Amino acid sequence: KQEVTQIPAALSVPEGENLVLNCSFTDSAIYNLQWFRQDPGKGLTSLLLIQSSQREQTSGRLNASLDKSSGRSTLYIAASQPGDSATYLCAVSPPTGRRALTFGSGTRLQVQP
Amino acid sequence: DVKVTQSSRYLVKRTGEKVFLECVQDMDHENMFWYRQDPGLGLRLIYFSYDVKMKEKGDIPEGYSVSREKKERFSLILESASTNQTSMYLCASSFPGRVNEKLFFGSGTQLSVL
Repeated sequence: KQEVTQIPAALSVPEGENLVLNCSFTDSAIYNLQWFRQDPGKGLTSLLLIQSSQREQTSGRLNASLDKSSGRSTLYIAASQPGDSATYLCAVSPPTGRRALTFGSGTRLQVQP
Repeated sequence: DVKVTQSSRYLVKRTGEKVFLECVQDMDHENMFWYRQDPGLGLRLIYFSYDVKMKEKGDIPEGYSVSREKKERFSLILESASTNQTSMYLCASSFPGRVNEKLFFGSGTQLSVL
């Protein structure tokens, strides 16, 4: 059974810092990997989706990389801002069948002004 | 923009009540999902549906049922609510095609069972 782990569980940084969030998964047979953002008490917003054949995806100040063979992904946030404060979750999908995403527990990020 | 709407942001129910959580999406998505989110446990899949009247159990279906009579609407039913079903419930939908494509979430329903 696929397991997804995110480290650290919480992170606090000063505004302007570049930071990296980590995601690891136990089964390298995946179809894609997604990074989501969740604000307190709200639903999830998809940030980036990386297909299994891709190495990275970029959107603005966000860059997500994927190393499928080692079961790892990172989300890089450049020049962090207080508005980036949220919980970031990664999720992977299996390559076959109708199974849905398996989520990590998330990293709670606080960017101090 | 895709919109996934959950009918209630907060619900308070009594033990033993039958509870309906409604979810509607406006982008003709074939796939719809119900997750629950609990501190320390992350998101866990309850049920999903890949077509009208079609459903599949997720990881934690016990105590829940679902209904999908129309493509845009996916309902989660708690047949007899219990205190351990107090949780944040999240509905999601995805583009036609593979079930694993980009997910769009609703804002969530925080359910408290007393």
